[in-house]
Amino acid sequence: NAGVTQTPKFQVLKTGQSMTLQCAQDMNHEYMSWYRQDPGMGLRLIHYSVGAGITDQGEVPNGYNVSRSTTEDFPLRLLSAAPSQTSVYFCASSPPTGRAAEQYFGPGTRLTVT
Amino acid sequence: AQTVTQSQPEMSVQEAETVTLSCTYDTSESDYYLFWYKQPPSRQMILVIRQEAYKQQNATENRFSVNFQKAAKSFSLKISDSQLGDAAMYFCAYRRRRDDKIIFGKGTRLHILP
Repeated sequence: NAGVTQTPKFQVLKTGQSMTLQCAQDMNHEYMSWYRQDPGMGLRLIHYSVGAGITDQGEVPNGYNVSRSTTEDFPLRLLSAAPSQTSVYFCASSPPTGRAAEQYFGPGTRLTVT
Repeated sequence: AQTVTQSQPEMSVQEAETVTLSCTYDTSESDYYLFWYKQPPSRQMILVIRQEAYKQQNATENRFSVNFQKAAKSFSLKISDSQLGDAAMYFCAYRRRRDDKIIFGKGTRLHILP
C-alpha cells in the first residue's frame, strides 16, 4: 500500500492564482481530512469528509473548497490564493471511530503564496 | 465547539528523565477518543498513544503513558526514560465519535538535553 499520497510536495503561487492540492489513499478509508500547519498554531482542520459525497467544514474553511467523488480521492482547491494561505498542508485518512482509529497522514505540501 | 489546549509551547528534559506534557480539552460529548501524535523534524506525523473515553484505565505504550481524567477533561502524556529520539513536536488530538471530526492542539515542542 502506498498509504496517503499528496501532490505536489512544494508549490509557489502568486496572489490570486488558483490551484488544487491532490490527496489520495489506497486503504479504503471512509474518513479523510485536510489540515494546515502554521508555526505556533498547530494543525487546524480545514475540511473533512466521512465518505464519498459527504463533506463538512472544519475550523478554518474560508478560501478553500473540497469534494469527495470517490473514496480514494479528496482534493483541496484554493480558489484565489492569498499570502495568508502560505502554510504546510496535510491530508489524512482513517477508518471510522468504531476502532478508535488513528489517522494516517500524507507527507505534506509546502505552499508559498507571494 | 470543541477545543484542545496544550499550555506548554516548549519543554526540556534531561536524557533518561521523565517528562509530562499537558493537554486539556473542552467538549459536551460523552463518546470520543483522544490521541497523542509526535512530529519529528521530518514532518511525518506518528501516533504515540490513544485513549477511548469510555475506558477508565489509562493507556500505556512502552515508555509512554497517559493520565486521563475524564471529569477534568485532562489528557496528559508521560514519557519515561527520555531518549534523544523523543525530541519532537507533540500534538494532542480529540476525535468525537458522532461525526469523526478530529481537532488538534497547538503542540508542545520537546527538547531532550544530553
